[in-house]
Amino acid sequence: DIQMTQSPSSLSASVGDRVTITCRASQSIISYLNWYQEKPGKAPKLLIYAASSVQSGVPSRFSGSGSGTDFTLTISSLQPEDLATYYCQQSYTIPLTFGGGTKVEIK
Amino acid sequence: EVQLVESGGGLVQPGGSLRLSCAASGFTVSSNYMNWVRRAPGKGLEWVSVLYISGNTYYADSVKGRFTISRDYSKNTLYLQMNSLRVEDTAVYYCVKEGSGHYPGWFDPWGQGTLVTVSS
Repeated sequence: DIQMTQSPSSLSASVGDRVTITCRASQSIISYLNWYQEKPGKAPKLLIYAASSVQSGVPSRFSGSGSGTDFTLTISSLQPEDLATYYCQQSYTIPLTFGGGTKVEIK
Repeated sequence: EVQLVESGGGLVQPGGSLRLSCAASGFTVSSNYMNWVRRAPGKGLEWVSVLYISGNTYYADSVKGRFTISRDYSKNTLYLQMNSLRVEDTAVYYCVKEGSGHYPGWFDPWGQGTLVTVSS
């Protein structure tokens, strides 16, 4: 199975800060990497697919980059509504696997 | 509008069974790859199963041999039959449609989730 390792597991940042979350795969997954946002009490929501494609309707402050084994989700200017847990997911091979999540808190 | 609505969750004793349903609207279940994903309390997301357009199915090792994914063409509904349930199967179960394209396998949309609690 492909292991997905996210870091950090949690972070606290101020409104307006640039936030970066990293995700590392245990083997190359080319660009089969997706990012989700899970707000408390809500279903997860797709933010980024294929490593860098922003899903329709997602604010432009969210972006994704990377290929191979190392990937990054960036929030260019953190907003109060970005309080959530963020997950990466590889779709290169079954079993599909998720990272452990990064909990983002607002200072 | 593309929408998924799960139902069928509840409280069940260890060793028991439940069948989850996921009613789809705005698209055809049988023309898409459909998955179940779960999140146990205090834990992260875990992929459970996929049903391909071809009818092929795949499962996480943790549920293989106990869970069965299926669909009903006439009802445009996805199912997850869960047998021999264990305490560790306690989770919110989400029905998700898999995206296609050059790098497929992304999940959108997600249903609202249905809670399964396995406890004596």
